[in-house]
Amino acid sequence: AQTVTQSQPEMSVQEAETVTLSCTYDTSESDYYLFWYKQPPSRQMILVIRQEAYKQQNATENRFSVNFQKAAKSFSLKISDSQLGDAAMYFCAYRGGDMRFGAGTRLTVKP
Amino acid sequence: DVKVTQSSRYLVKRTGEKVFLECVQDMDHENMFWYRQDPGLGLRLIYFSYDVKMKEKGDIPEGYSVSREKKERFSLILESASTNQTSMYLCASSPLDLRIQHFGDGTRLSIL
Repeated sequence: AQTVTQSQPEMSVQEAETVTLSCTYDTSESDYYLFWYKQPPSRQMILVIRQEAYKQQNATENRFSVNFQKAAKSFSLKISDSQLGDAAMYFCAYRGGDMRFGAGTRLTVKP
Repeated sequence: DVKVTQSSRYLVKRTGEKVFLECVQDMDHENMFWYRQDPGLGLRLIYFSYDVKMKEKGDIPEGYSVSREKKERFSLILESASTNQTSMYLCASSPLDLRIQHFGDGTRLSIL
């Protein structure tokens, strides 16, 4: 079974600075998708960014980018110019033959 | 705009009750999912459905069942609620290729 590991239960960043959230996964599949979801206190799960495993280029969405290392099975999320509204739980997720989520990282943004 | 609606935001039930959690999506998606979310454990898949009247067990199906009589509606049923089923329940839907999942707002269920 595929597993998704987020080794940082909590992270903190100063407003306007950059933070990186880590995610590793274990799989024997070659074709899959990776996601980062954001869950603010409102509880809605919001898709932040998506990466197809067959693409070598790292996905980017405005201030959010990923560092996808397929051989290392690593998928970290970088948030640049952090804003107060970025404070939330962040979940890394894997979708191959099934769907798996990491345990989450709680991000605090300090003003 | 995409919409996944869960019938209740908060729900309190008693041990032994039969509990129904309803989820409706308006995107004509083939796939629908039920997850539970617990601190430190992330999201765990309970059941999913890839078509009307079709269902597949996820990681933790014990104590739960599901119903998908119509494409837009996916119900989660706790046959006989127990205190260890107190949790946040999230419904999601996705198109056939599963590239993206849209989530509902969640139902915080307490079993007393």
